[in-house]
Amino acid sequence: AAGVIQSPRHLIKEKRETATLKCYPIPRHDTVYWYQQGPGQDPQFLISFYEKMQSDKGSIPDRFSAQQFSDYHSELNMSSLELGDSALYFCASSPGQARVTDTQYFGPGTRLTVL
Amino acid sequence: GDSVTQMEGPVTLSEEAFLTINCTYTATGYPSLFWYVQYPGEGLQLLLKATKADDKGSNKGFEATYRKETTSFHLEKGSVQVSDSAVYFCALSARQTGANNLFFGTGTRLTVIP
Repeated sequence: AAGVIQSPRHLIKEKRETATLKCYPIPRHDTVYWYQQGPGQDPQFLISFYEKMQSDKGSIPDRFSAQQFSDYHSELNMSSLELGDSALYFCASSPGQARVTDTQYFGPGTRLTVL
Repeated sequence: GDSVTQMEGPVTLSEEAFLTINCTYTATGYPSLFWYVQYPGEGLQLLLKATKADDKGSNKGFEATYRKETTSFHLEKGSVQVSDSAVYFCALSARQTGANNLFFGTGTRLTVIP
């Protein structure tokens, strides 16, 4: 079965650089979520989209932005990178109208290292 | 606010031992509850879920029952295997302003030794 695809899998950037992470949800899933997992931490919700509109916002820094495109893939744009942005970034997708009962299916994550 | 409190690890067990990882939650409304597993170097995989009180989720020998009266969703397995070594996250899904976001516990690292 098709899964959530994230690219790149690994990314190394310098401080103050920008990074773009991509997420391709499971086919026919129209809701996408982004999570950040710091070293040894639990995943923290950043932002979500439903039908190409932002549906909720969590602890996403102002330096980050995201969008969902017409083909439902999503991109997380990160600017003025800081050392503390080094983390594993997960994308998840779910079908339908983002009901509480829906399961979120996670991608393998993008490991971002900021030097 | 909504939150999950999870038993801290790490937990080390011998193969075929009984496993319990405690999880309690605080939520308004009627959340859904999940257990996710993260194997070394991999992403999060759904292990099981329960969407209403008294539901039991089960998968691969793991079970958890949604207990509203004790606000708990403890994970159990009767006989663990070496391949079960991973980090286990309890999570809840509760509708906020627009979509349902997952709130995770801090994770419990399980190591099973032969």
